[in-house]
Amino acid sequence: ETGVTQTPRHLVMGMTNKKSLKCEQHLGHNAMYWYKQSAKKPLELMFVYNFKEQTENNSVPSRFSPECPNSSHLFLHLHTLQPEDSALYLCASSQELIGQGYDEQYFGPGTRLTVT
Amino acid sequence: AQSVTQPDIHITVSEGASLELRCNYSYGATPYLFWYVQSPGQGLQLLLKYFSGDTLVQGIKGFEAEFKRSQSSFNLRKPSVHWSDAAEYFCAVVFYNNNDMRFGAGTRLTVKP
Repeated sequence: ETGVTQTPRHLVMGMTNKKSLKCEQHLGHNAMYWYKQSAKKPLELMFVYNFKEQTENNSVPSRFSPECPNSSHLFLHLHTLQPEDSALYLCASSQELIGQGYDEQYFGPGTRLTVT
Repeated sequence: AQSVTQPDIHITVSEGASLELRCNYSYGATPYLFWYVQSPGQGLQLLLKYFSGDTLVQGIKGFEAEFKRSQSSFNLRKPSVHWSDAAEYFCAVVFYNNNDMRFGAGTRLTVKP
């Protein structure tokens, strides 16, 4: 595998379910990110991790819980979601924390989440 | 407030025609600037980026973009569009020492045969 991978690619869950999204980057990067992409809205940054430490939480509801066990893996744990949480969830990584240097983000293909 | 605007939600061009997608940002200093492309069901792929130096940057797939400080713009151009260029295009900015990449709402490109 190369680049940034995300599993599953599609997920349908009920509002009472608990599920997790997984992201893995094979680029040796130190920073990882979760974004939410909803229809007709700009991408929203959710969480930022740098060297496994969370550096940013953009007022995300607690029903979304991130976990970063190491610099290569990032999870997003989901519980008691709402239908409006249905979206494409994108993971990204960068060598350094974005904004700190001349760096860019590499994105995974995303997980299409549908909450019923 | 820091923001990035893509004024065109949807653009249709004929194959072989030229293309320009607009991007404007609002911020006091010069940010880092990016253009990404997203095909249906895919993640975002970087087309090109600007950090400093030459204001005309070349990217992949024959795309280029020009940074104009006076207009706070970073418009994306391609001289001759191919049918495979049909996708959604996102302009993004990062402000120095801010760990937040701000994206525009995107411009959907349709290519007519």
